[in-house]
Amino acid sequence: NAGVTQTPKFRILKIGQSMTLQCTQDMNHNYMYWYRQDPGMGLKLIYYSVGAGITDKGEVPNGYNVSRSTTEDFPLRLELAAPSQTSVYFCASSSGGPINQPQHFGDGTRLSIL
Amino acid sequence: KQEVTQIPAALSVPEGENLVLNCSFTDSAIYNLQWFRQDPGKGLTSLLLIQSSQREQTSGRLNASLDKSSGRSTLYIAASQPGDSATYLCAVQGGSEKLVFGKGMKLTVNP
Repeated sequence: NAGVTQTPKFRILKIGQSMTLQCTQDMNHNYMYWYRQDPGMGLKLIYYSVGAGITDKGEVPNGYNVSRSTTEDFPLRLELAAPSQTSVYFCASSSGGPINQPQHFGDGTRLSIL
Repeated sequence: KQEVTQIPAALSVPEGENLVLNCSFTDSAIYNLQWFRQDPGKGLTSLLLIQSSQREQTSGRLNASLDKSSGRSTLYIAASQPGDSATYLCAVQGGSEKLVFGKGMKLTVNP
C-alpha cells in the first residue's frame, strides 16, 4: 500500500516553461488536495477535489490548473512557470472530507524556477 | 480570515523532558484541529485530530487538547526522545474543505 505518490521529487524549470506535477493515491480516497509550502511558512491550499470530475480553487490558485479524471490521480499543471512558483508542492488525500478524516500526504515535489 | 499561530518557531530541549507545544487560532468556528509532524524532506504525517466537540485526544506519548472558546490547542509530548525531533504543525478546518496551517515549530531533542 503506497499511499500518496508524487513525481517527480525534484525539478528545475526555466521561466516560461510548463510542467505537470503528478499525484496518485491507492487508498480510494475521494478528496484530494494540492498545497505549496514556502520556506518557514505553513502550507497553502492551491486546489482541491471532492471526487472525480470535481475541482475547486483554494487560497492560491493563480498560475496553476488541475484536473481529476479518475479517483486515483490529481495532476497539477504549471503553464508559464514564474520564479514566484519556486516552492515545495505537496499532494494529499482523505477518505471522507477533512471534517472527520485526517489527510495523508505525499513526500512532495521540490520545484525551482530559474 | 482564520489565522493560525505557533510560538515559538523553534525549541531545543534535552532528552527526557515533557514538552508543551502551543497553537492558537483567531476564529473559534472550527470543525476540527489537527496536529502534524514533518520530517526533513518529507511530507506531513497526521498525529492527532480533535473534533470540535472533543476536548482532547491521546496517542501513545502524545496528548492534544482543544479549547475552542479561547482559540487554543496544546500538544503535550511526554518523555521526549531524539526521534521526536521534527517540525510540528497544527491546522484548523472551518466551514469549508480547507485546512489553515500554522507555520510550524521546529523541535530538536538532544541526547
